[in-house]
Amino acid sequence: ENVLTQSPGALSLSPGERATLSCRASQSVSSNYLAWYQQKPGQAPRLLIYGASNRATGIPDRFSGSGSGTDFTLTISRLEPEDFAVYYCHQYGTSYTFGQGTKLEIK
Amino acid sequence: QVQLQESGPGLVKPSETLSLTCTVSGGLINSDSYYWGWIRQPPGKGLEWIGSIYFDGSAYYNPSLKSRVTISVDTSNKFSLKLNSVTAADTAVYYCARRRAFDVWSPGTMVTVSS
Repeated sequence: ENVLTQSPGALSLSPGERATLSCRASQSVSSNYLAWYQQKPGQAPRLLIYGASNRATGIPDRFSGSGSGTDFTLTISRLEPEDFAVYYCHQYGTSYTFGQGTKLEIK
Repeated sequence: QVQLQESGPGLVKPSETLSLTCTVSGGLINSDSYYWGWIRQPPGKGLEWIGSIYFDGSAYYNPSLKSRVTISVDTSNKFSLKLNSVTAADTAVYYCARRRAFDVWSPGTMVTVSS
């Protein structure tokens, strides 16, 4: 099983700041099949990034994904109030696994 | 656009079988080369992939659940999940979703395992 470890577990920032979330895989992610999701309370997750760096339809360009192999990053360039949520990474290269999540909180 | 909606009992007794159906609207489940999956989220916890099925009926399961899970494509543009021998640990919000990177999700349905 390809275990995904997200860091930090929680991040406190202010609107307008830059957020950097990390996802590390225990094995190389095949074909960089790595996705990022945003989840708000009581809602289903929303796909932000697929293939490590491709924004999903309708996702603002302040969200960007990067990385390859075992190390991946989600960057939110300038935080908006609606960006405070839990973020999950997900690899779908070999079977499917999710990271444990990073909670992005308002400072 | 494609929308997904789960349906099924919200309460299941221990040792019984949890059965959910996901109805696909706005698209045909068999017309595109898509995977269709089930994911669950215990209260206050993270996401867990249960399994996925390809449009041709090939199914793939989480190894930790494989012995208890069956996913199948039904008629009428639906696919279903069956999880047998449930315990309280199977209490969760259950989602169905499309594709390998899950781009369309259902709203989620809470299933509680309790006598």
